Amino acid sequence: QVQLVESGGGVVQPGRSLRLSCAASGFLFSNYGMYWVRQAPGKGLEWVALIWYDGSNKDYADSGKGRFTISRDNSKNTVYLQMNSLRAEDTALYYCARDRGPPVGLSGGMDVWGQGTMVTVSS
Amino acid sequence: DIQMTQSPSSLSASVGDRVTITCRASQSITRYLNLNWYQQKPGKAPKLLIYAASTLQSGVPSRFSGSGSGTDFTLTISSLQPEDFATYYCQQSYSAITFGQGTRLEIK
Repeated sequence: QVQLVESGGGVVQPGRSLRLSCAASGFLFSNYGMYWVRQAPGKGLEWVALIWYDGSNKDYADSGKGRFTISRDNSKNTVYLQMNSLRAEDTALYYCARDRGPPVGLSGGMDVWGQGTMVTVSS
Repeated sequence: DIQMTQSPSSLSASVGDRVTITCRASQSITRYLNLNWYQQKPGKAPKLLIYAASTLQSGVPSRFSGSGSGTDFTLTISSLQPEDFATYYCQQSYSAITFGQGTRLEIK
């Protein structure tokens, strides 16, 4: 079945780095744009980054520009989020999500979500 | 940046009620109807309900509907069911991506 599984979260000190991974299965990964969305404890959803199906275009929320990098490896069906210079306000559950398509397009809607991986930034 | 403002922020209703949630964009997002609605239950990932402002995602019950254009959009649940009590978010993708702050729908 169509599935996304995030990993790589944990507790990290302010200023340090972390790389999140999201492994996809059950669909042709190389045809779909992907997103990272986060949710701080008890708060709403915040978009973090997006990447086109082929990696040719990327975009970031202002909160992560210059610190976060989204990438993908279509041969491994995996999307990544490299997070540098982490701050306390980056503490959140990080979800990856699939663009609903059509394939090789980017609709902006997210139709498949992972279960999330928790990132806690604390000294 | 486009800001998305939902109202109300919370809402109490009973099973069988008709409920409407409003989402207002800080500028028009009409051109490609890049407005989506999600439902999130506690401890779960969000679920896409409606895309392109009014198109029901596959598998979503027909009691859910969406409408609107320009800057003003609505999500309507025609007859609340027990499983509909959750938090709802609108989201635009006209310019980057932003979510509304959420509307928590509670049982009265």
